[in-house]
Amino acid sequence: EVQLVESGGGLVQPGRSLRLSCAASGFTFDDYAMHWVRQAPGKGLEWVSGISWNSGSTGYADSVKGRFTISRDNAKNSLYLQMNSLRVEDTALYYCAKDNALSGELLDDSWFDPWGQGTLVTVSS
Amino acid sequence: QSVLTQPPSASGTPGQRVTISCSGSSSNIGRNTVNWYQQLPGTAPKLLIYSNNQRPSGVPDRFSGSKSGTSASLAISGLQSEDEADYYCAAWDDSLSGWVFGGGTKLTVL
Repeated sequence: EVQLVESGGGLVQPGRSLRLSCAASGFTFDDYAMHWVRQAPGKGLEWVSGISWNSGSTGYADSVKGRFTISRDNAKNSLYLQMNSLRVEDTALYYCAKDNALSGELLDDSWFDPWGQGTLVTVSS
Repeated sequence: QSVLTQPPSASGTPGQRVTISCSGSSSNIGRNTVNWYQQLPGTAPKLLIYSNNQRPSGVPDRFSGSKSGTSASLAISGLQSEDEADYYCAAWDDSLSGWVFGGGTKLTVL
């Protein structure tokens, strides 16, 4: 069974940093691209970032570009999101999700399945 | 303001057929495939439809998707109480070089 388990969320002050992790199991992690998607309280879904199987390609939403960095460690079957210069508007439940393109690249005709249960990040003074 | 536009709410009675629309542009839906996700209350999103009209295994055939031009639709026939959820469309946007979602549609089964 494919499982994605996020961790690392918490309460942090504006301007500070936080690192999220996503532990993957049940599939060959280094065959697939991975993504982070967030959901602010009571709001919709927003794609945050994606990374190809070998970290050769990454993508970011404009709202986090220059502040967030996605990375992965295929030896540890883990995905990460380093979040710097956090803002109040970054408060959200952060989900990691598996991409389904068989190439492992970031492609436009793929989809996210499955999703983890999310880790909550609260940015507040 | 979401790049893809969905109605904020939809409703129907058990057994009815409901449709949820998703409007985009030439840089997203007009050029790329559309996926739909279902989010039951208090849970993570789940893939419902991929590549415009394909159902993952385990998704009932009551759910169907379609796409025409820069718009897409999700249809649910034989509505059931357990279909009450938020539904999101998503597509890759060539101009933004990223994935975009609709604002979500809250489906209520009356």
